[in-house]
Amino acid sequence: NAGVTQTPKFRVLKTGQSMTLLCAQDMNHEYMYWYRQDPGMGLRLIHYSVGEGTTAKGEVPDGYNVSRLKKQNFLLGLESAAPSQTSVYFCASNPSGNLYEQYFGPGTRLTVT
Amino acid sequence: ILNVEQSPQSLHVQEGDSTNFTCSFPSSNFYALHWYRWETAKSPEALFVMTLNGDEKKKGRISATLNTKEGYSYLYIKGSQPEDSATYLCALNSGYSTLTFGKGTMLLVSP
Repeated sequence: NAGVTQTPKFRVLKTGQSMTLLCAQDMNHEYMYWYRQDPGMGLRLIHYSVGEGTTAKGEVPDGYNVSRLKKQNFLLGLESAAPSQTSVYFCASNPSGNLYEQYFGPGTRLTVT
Repeated sequence: ILNVEQSPQSLHVQEGDSTNFTCSFPSSNFYALHWYRWETAKSPEALFVMTLNGDEKKKGRISATLNTKEGYSYLYIKGSQPEDSATYLCALNSGYSTLTFGKGTMLLVSP
């Protein structure tokens, strides 16, 4: 059981470039989440999904898109990266929301220059 | 956006000290409260999920209490050890599919 994995672990982008972060979980969880973590700001929710084929906006969705074509994968896309998107990105999953703990991936450190 | 406050922001104690932190949240929006432990260079791991007013949960030397009427939860660590050094996050679930996290309390335990 690998749990929640994230690819890549590190990435440096130039302003305007695009990239996709991949989150995969092997626990058959319904719910998946993307967060960003910035100094002094805590974890902030970008987008989330309550099941295959569904996505919804979180607190800070601007500049990001997501897709959940398969239950085990949740992709986070940056179409045109900006320096303000320099952050550590965490993916998480849980069986079905509210009363279940979230399981976090190891994080992706993204720098946009 | 829900306001989840944690205090203190950081704490430095000596090995063997007992300590506690506070998580405050709007009581009118309560459905469940989560506590997570986040070690440096790792990812957050769940400690407790609490739902009932007056609930108390314990895991080893760490325990938590919950007061949903007044909107707060305490996390206690008894006899702190250096391996307890981490950031402790609380997160509020208000009945929807998501959590709102506080900014955390950073604990440093010196030998």
